[in-house]
Amino acid sequence: AQSVSQHNHHVILSEAASLELGCNYSYGGTVNLFWYVQYPGQHLQLLLKYFSGDPLVKGIKGFEAEFIKSKFSFNLRKPSVQWSDTAEYFCAVTTSRGIKAAGNKLTFGGGTRVLVKP
Amino acid sequence: GAGVSQSPSNKVTEKGKDVELRCDPISGHTALYWYRQRLGQGLEFLIYFQGNSAPDKSGLPSDRFSAERTGGSVSTLTIQRTQQEDSAVYLCASSLVSGFTDTQYFGPGTRLTVL
Repeated sequence: AQSVSQHNHHVILSEAASLELGCNYSYGGTVNLFWYVQYPGQHLQLLLKYFSGDPLVKGIKGFEAEFIKSKFSFNLRKPSVQWSDTAEYFCAVTTSRGIKAAGNKLTFGGGTRVLVKP
Repeated sequence: GAGVSQSPSNKVTEKGKDVELRCDPISGHTALYWYRQRLGQGLEFLIYFQGNSAPDKSGLPSDRFSAERTGGSVSTLTIQRTQQEDSAVYLCASSLVSGFTDTQYFGPGTRLTVL
């Protein structure tokens, strides 16, 4: 079974600092990769996703992530954070293939809480 | 349009009681998922429904947990004889279909506390 690990549980940084959150997964086959974000008091929402093609994926709010297959990694980055980026970030993977696959269940990492100080 | 809704938003119950949690997916979404998030942990998959197909129950932690989806829309997750380790936030998600390119949209969750 696949698993996902996020290296940092808590990150504290100042506005305008650069952010990089690590995500590694363990699965030998083809994966689909996601970053979700949960802002305080809000629903979990999708930041970006990777299925195939260009391994550098751009998402909403200036976030991007790079899939490095050889390292089983999908790290999330933002060059300059804002106070409004304070949230919990979750990396997730699926290994289902095809519309008729038995579900597209997500396997999540433990999450990283990011606090951006104004 | 309306997103995924869940009720109740909070539920406090005593150990041994049964609870029912409800999920209303986005209209037209055929796939529905239940996850739970225990304190300090990531989300764990519980169960998945796709149209009229048999649900994938592979994530249910024990036979005290069950779920149904009526009419291909609303879903209810039932936990019988609740235990303290059942305390968690229970999240529902829906997607248009179940293909790997389909984004899952999450509801606000139900926070269950078992005393």
